Order: sequence, then structure tokens, then C-alpha cells
Amino acid sequence: EDQVTQSPEALRLQEGESSSLNCSYTVSGLRGLFWYRQDPGKGPEFLFTLYSAGEEKEKERLKATLTKKESFLHITAPKPEDSATYLCAVHGMNRDDKIIFGKGTRLHILP
Amino acid sequence: SAVISQKPSRDICQRGTSLTIQCQVDSQVTMMFWYRQQPGQSLTLIATANQGSEATYESGFVIDKFPISRPNLTFSTLTVSNMSPEDSSIYLCSVSRGLGTDTQYFGPGTRLTVL
Repeated sequence: EDQVTQSPEALRLQEGESSSLNCSYTVSGLRGLFWYRQDPGKGPEFLFTLYSAGEEKEKERLKATLTKKESFLHITAPKPEDSATYLCAVHGMNRDDKIIFGKGTRLHILP
Repeated sequence: SAVISQKPSRDICQRGTSLTIQCQVDSQVTMMFWYRQQPGQSLTLIATANQGSEATYESGFVIDKFPISRPNLTFSTLTVSNMSPEDSSIYLCSVSRGLGTDTQYFGPGTRLTVL
């Protein structure tokens, strides 16, 4: 069964303190891995799609990387406005053809 | 990307009533999905809304409780029927433009509270 596990569940950082969020996955063949940002009371906002191990994508202070077992979302010199829940989702070559979401990491950046 | 709107944005309903949530996309899309996100939880897929045919429901979700319509390639509705407090949740519409591994874009969500 396909699984997605995100860690940590919550993370508090000082403004400017870089860190990484982890998304570990188990799928029978990866079609794609997605990162979303979700602010309280709002729908998830798309950030990145990664398709193969070794791939990296960047957007402002965020960089997503992918290996065969996990993905990292690196946050460099974060600002308070980066505070949100970050969701990871995977699309595997499963029979159901569904995208499976992790439970997310709640990130809080202190000014 | 796609611009997605949902109506209503939030509602407070009485037990036993029904609520219909609308999802409108600014351009034609192949796939439309409905998710539920309970407080503090991740997203759970309710069903895939198929244009011109019955929706495909996930395990644990049934058509009598969550009837879905999709009359065209830009619009879908989800009805939450005979509501109970356990139905209190955020309901999200999402879309993707093609088949296979295609990014899903989400609407702003509908926050439902059932008293």
C-alpha cells in the first residue's frame, strides 16, 4: 500500500534560520511527487512537482529535492510570511491511480 | 494553473439538512475532484467528478450521502446530505488538466459547520 509520511509534524524557527522538511514515501513506482503550501482556512497552493530522483526545483526561499525514498523541502532564511502547513503528496503507479497526501508539517517562523 | 472558485466559502447548518457546494473553474479541465479535510487532518479524496457520467467514489463515501454533479468541463457540485456534526469539515474542489501525472490545483475550500 502506498504511504506518505511527513516529518516533523510541527517546526518552529527563528526568522532567518534555515531548515528542511521531510517527506518519506513508499509507492510501487513513482509518477510524481507534489508539494503544497496551505494557509489556515484556505485551499492548498501548489508549489512544486518532482518526477524523478535527483530532480530539484526552486521558488524564492524554497527548494524541493527528490530521492528514490524521500523528498526534502529546504527553506532558506525563512520569513514570518513563510509560516504555513506544507503538504506532500505522491502519485504512484497504483491500481487506483490516486494521489495520496501526507499529514503535513506546520511551520511557524518567529520574527 | 487554474482559477477555481467555490461557493459558499463557509456555512453553518442544522443537523439533518443538506448543503450543495459549487465549484467553478475559469477554463475547461479534464479532471475534477472533491476532497474533505477534517480539523488538523490531511486531505481525503471523496470522489472524482466525471463529466457526463456518475462520479467515482472512494471507499467509505457513497452517492446517497455525497451526490455529485458535473454537467460540463468547468463546473461541479457536491451535496452533503442529511448532515450530522461529524460532517463538519473543509470541503475542497480540485482540478487537473489531463490524465496521468498532472498537477492538481485546489479551490479555496468551503468550511462547513454542522450543529
